Amino acid sequence: AQRVTQPEKLLSVFKGAPVELKCNYSYSGSPELFWYVQYSRQRLQLLLRHISRESIKGFTADLNKGETSFHLKKPFAQEEDSAMYYCALKAGGYQKVTFGTGTKLQVIP
Amino acid sequence: GAVVSQHPSWVICKSGTSVKIECRSLDFQATTMFWYRQFPKQSLMLMATSNEGSKATYEQGVEKDKFLINHASLTLSTLTVTSAHPEDSSFYICSARDPSGANEQYFGPGTRLTVT
Repeated sequence: AQRVTQPEKLLSVFKGAPVELKCNYSYSGSPELFWYVQYSRQRLQLLLRHISRESIKGFTADLNKGETSFHLKKPFAQEEDSAMYYCALKAGGYQKVTFGTGTKLQVIP
Repeated sequence: GAVVSQHPSWVICKSGTSVKIECRSLDFQATTMFWYRQFPKQSLMLMATSNEGSKATYEQGVEKDKFLINHASLTLSTLTVTSAHPEDSSFYICSARDPSGANEQYFGPGTRLTVT
């Protein structure tokens, strides 16, 4: 069975400080990992995926298979980054996506 | 990006009645749609996977007779909560997979169901 763990329910950082949202997963095969973001009163939307190796809004995430982690990072937090962030895993060829419990990022001005 | 809509956005119903929630992909054809449930301050829990023209696949613990899913067309899936009870009150979110391009899932805005 696949599982996604986000250990922090709330992460508060000051504007300009680095951000790291933790995500660990368990899955026996080769997973696809994603980060979704949900801004206040908006729908869930994809932020980035590990296979793209992209940086979106200054965020990056590297898949570490050895540590089974997919932490989300940003060097300098901005107020508009305040939102709910969900780490998600899609298992192999299946379309089922398993979500973590989410981390609320609060950027303090 | 692609757009997924849900209707209604908010519904209140009395205990014992049934409620239908619609999920539409507005600018793409979705062969697969997903229904999630989200309790306050908790994560999304997948309820079922809906494939156009076939029966939905329900996750373990989800009552298929209570949560009826119909995916009659490539742009519409419906979730009917039958004989609703207060414990069914929740936020229901659908997503639709766009088979073109990156095969991405797009989420609807959600429907808040309150059963009194």
